[in-house]
Amino acid sequence: QSALTQPRSVSGSPGQSVTISCTGTSSDIGTYKYVSWYQQHPGKAPKLMIYHVNERPSGVPDRFSGSKSGNTASLTISGLQSDDEADYYCCSYAGNSYVFGTGTKVTVL
Amino acid sequence: QVQLQESGPGLVEPSGTLSLTCAVSGGSISSDIWWSWVRQPPGKGLEWIGETHHSGRANYDPTLKSRLTFSVDKSKNQLSLKLTSVTAADTAVYYCARHGDCFLSDWGPGTTVTVSS
Repeated sequence: QSALTQPRSVSGSPGQSVTISCTGTSSDIGTYKYVSWYQQHPGKAPKLMIYHVNERPSGVPDRFSGSKSGNTASLTISGLQSDDEADYYCCSYAGNSYVFGTGTKVTVL
Repeated sequence: QVQLQESGPGLVEPSGTLSLTCAVSGGSISSDIWWSWVRQPPGKGLEWIGETHHSGRANYDPTLKSRLTFSVDKSKNQLSLKLTSVTAADTAVYYCARHGDCFLSDWGPGTTVTVSS
């Protein structure tokens, strides 16, 4: 199972919006609604930000939103804040297995 | 709130066996929940390596399946991982994580494993 493809980096100024794409195949994102997104600050464990494509766990700000079209999922961060600067990983169920994305570094300018 | 804590030897010799445990608190490992292991090589991304259930069912990443074994100790409320014939490529931070419905809801802080002589 190959890793899902994400851009290496995206950046934006405080208050702006950024969108991270996550491209898979018909064997993962294209078939299942089970796409999740994780935020990881340096030296820390990943934190769940989005599950089931567009659902937010309690405590995650509504500035974070997710979507999916075909084999590509997306995470949008609106109203960018300094604490949003981190690595972000998508993940998809792939039938008795999971596959992560290559990871995207979000920089707040 | 469930908490997970990984532990392990830190340093493993090449061709040896890597053994890790994940202690679970604030929840029962015997509930109908899957538990995953994820690793992250230095400076690289997350890699799902497999999942296990207290019933003994498990799914492994195909590239690691021949070297990997998961187990569950209900009396200690902990998970275990064994990876045999390790090489430098197995050097990583290893995480255990609790599943929601096909997502990873809670993660341990991770434990660093270095394969070196």
